[in-house]
Amino acid sequence: AQTVTQSQPEMSVQEAETVTLSCTYDTSESDYYLFWYKQPPSRQMILVIRQEAYKQQNATENRFSVNFQKAAKSFSLKISDSQLGDAAMYFCAYRSHGTYKYIFGTGTRLKVLA
Amino acid sequence: DTGVSQDPRHKITKRGQNVTFRCDPISEHNRLYWYRQTLGQGPEFLTYFQNEAQLEKSRLLSDRFSAERPKGSFSTLEIQRTEQGDSAMYLCASSFGGSFTGELFFGEGSRLTVL
Repeated sequence: AQTVTQSQPEMSVQEAETVTLSCTYDTSESDYYLFWYKQPPSRQMILVIRQEAYKQQNATENRFSVNFQKAAKSFSLKISDSQLGDAAMYFCAYRSHGTYKYIFGTGTRLKVLA
Repeated sequence: DTGVSQDPRHKITKRGQNVTFRCDPISEHNRLYWYRQTLGQGPEFLTYFQNEAQLEKSRLLSDRFSAERPKGSFSTLEIQRTEQGDSAMYLCASSFGGSFTGELFFGEGSRLTVL
């Protein structure tokens, strides 16, 4: 069975600085998708960034980028120029190609310090 | 479209009572999911629908849980004979079948408290 592990329950970053959130996963599949979702306090979860496993190039969305290491089964999220609005729970998620069942990690709470 | 909506947002019930949650997905989305989230944990998969068909159900889901999606539109999640361990946030999400990656769009959740 696939699993997703986020080993950092909480992280802090100074405003305008850069922070990296870690995620590792376990799968025997070769074709899958990886996601980072953000859950602000008392608000719905939204997609931050996604990565298709067959793509070697790391995904980037404005200040958010990933470091996807397929062989190591690692998928970290880098947030540059951190803003107060980035404070939230961040969840790493996995989905196999051909299924629509998402598996989420336990999350990392990100605090942004002014 | 205003996104995925869930009702009620918060439900307090006594142990042994039945509760039902409703989810209205984004209108053009044919896939609908239910997840459960407890404090400090990530969302845990419960079940998902493609149109009106329930395609997968978690083995962790007891027989007290049932979900329906009549006519492939809104969905209901019913929990019978609630237990204190059922206290959690129940999240609904939907996705568009034509989307290559199947990005999930979440509602704000329905928080269940079982006394």
